[in-house]
Order: sequence, then structure tokens, then C-alpha cells
Amino acid sequence: QVQLVESGGGVVQPGRSLRLSCAASGFTFSTYAMHWVRQAPGKGLEWVAVVSYDGSNKYHTDSVKGRFTISRDNSKNTVYLQMNSLRAEDTAVYYCARDQRQYQLLGEDAFDIWGQGTMVTVSS
Amino acid sequence: EIVLTQSPDFQSVTRKEKVTITCRASQSIGSSLHWYQQKPDQSPKLLIKSASQSFSGVPSRFSGSGSGTDFTLTINSLEAEDAATYYCHQSSSLPWTFGQGTKVEIK
Repeated sequence: QVQLVESGGGVVQPGRSLRLSCAASGFTFSTYAMHWVRQAPGKGLEWVAVVSYDGSNKYHTDSVKGRFTISRDNSKNTVYLQMNSLRAEDTAVYYCARDQRQYQLLGEDAFDIWGQGTMVTVSS
Repeated sequence: EIVLTQSPDFQSVTRKEKVTITCRASQSIGSSLHWYQQKPDQSPKLLIKSASQSFSGVPSRFSGSGSGTDFTLTINSLEAEDAATYYCHQSSSLPWTFGQGTKVEIK
């Protein structure tokens, strides 16, 4: 079935790095833009980044620009989020999500499939 | 950045009652507005896309309307399983943004 499974979360000290992965299955991964969305404990949803279906276009929200990088490997059906210089305010559950329409460059549509999320805690 | 403001923040409703949640955008976004449901300890689920199109498998009691800056999610005849937080999301202009959420509780 159509599925997204995140991994790579954990507890990390401020200033350190972490790489999240999201493995896709059950659909033609290479034709869909992919997103990362995060949710701090007890808070709402915050969109983080998008990568186009072919990896040629990426966009990150201002609060993570220069620190986080989204990427994808279509041969492995996986999207990544490299997180550097982590801060306490990056503590959140990180979800990957699929853009609903195929062949979007920056995901200009709804998010129809979501993973279960992976928790990232930034603390000394 | 487009700001989405939902109202109310919280609603306590009895079963079978009608629920209306509004989402107001800080500038016109056409129909690029989507609604999600999130239950505790679960990931969000898409309910309505492009303001008024029901997503596959979503019960017919959920409907959406609006365009431009003002949008509405309606739940007709609330069921116990509809207790959740509801979010709107715009895909008109980067960065994509979400509303702050509306928590619906069953009385």
C-alpha cells in the first residue's frame, strides 16, 4: 500500500547535526514532489521544505534556511532532511508528506499522504 | 508570507450538531486552500483539497467552501470520531503555511 516511513530522529545537542530519512513505497515516487512538515510539542503544523519530483527545485522556510537541506534519491525512493546547527526550537515531530499532484516543481497542491513522523529533540 | 487565521481556536460540540470552522487568509489565495484533520498522536489526514473538493474516502458530512480570502470547513452531524484538531493550509504562495488549528471536542 501507499506508505511513507520516517526515520533518523533522536536526541541531539544544540549545534549538532541530524539527517532524517523518509522511505516511500506503493507509488511511483519519482513523479511526486515531497515535503517536510514539523510539529513542536503541543503546537500546530509548520511547513519546513519541499523538493520537486526530480530534485531540481528546492525551497526551505526562512527559519531553517542555511541550516537544513532537503534532498531526494529517486533510485532509493527516499527523501532526506539534513539538519545542521540544530537549536532547541527545532524540537518537533517531523513528518514527510507527498504532494497530491504529480510532476509539481514546488508542490503547489494538498498533501495527500503523510508518514507517522519522527521525533527530534534538541537538548543539552 | 501568507498568514492563515482560523476561528474559533476551540469548539465544544454535542454529537449530531453542525460544526463550522473558518480560515481567513491575509491575501487572496484563489482556491488553493486545503483542510486536514489530526487526531491525538496521529499524523494529519487530508479532508478537503482546493477549497471544496472532498478527498477520497472522506465521509460526506465534511465539506468545504470559499475562495479568495475566506474559507469554511463544515462538519454536518458531528460524530464522536470527529474529535480532533483541524488545520487549513495554503498552497498559493511560498512559503506554504498552515492555520493555527481548531480543536473540536465532543461534549
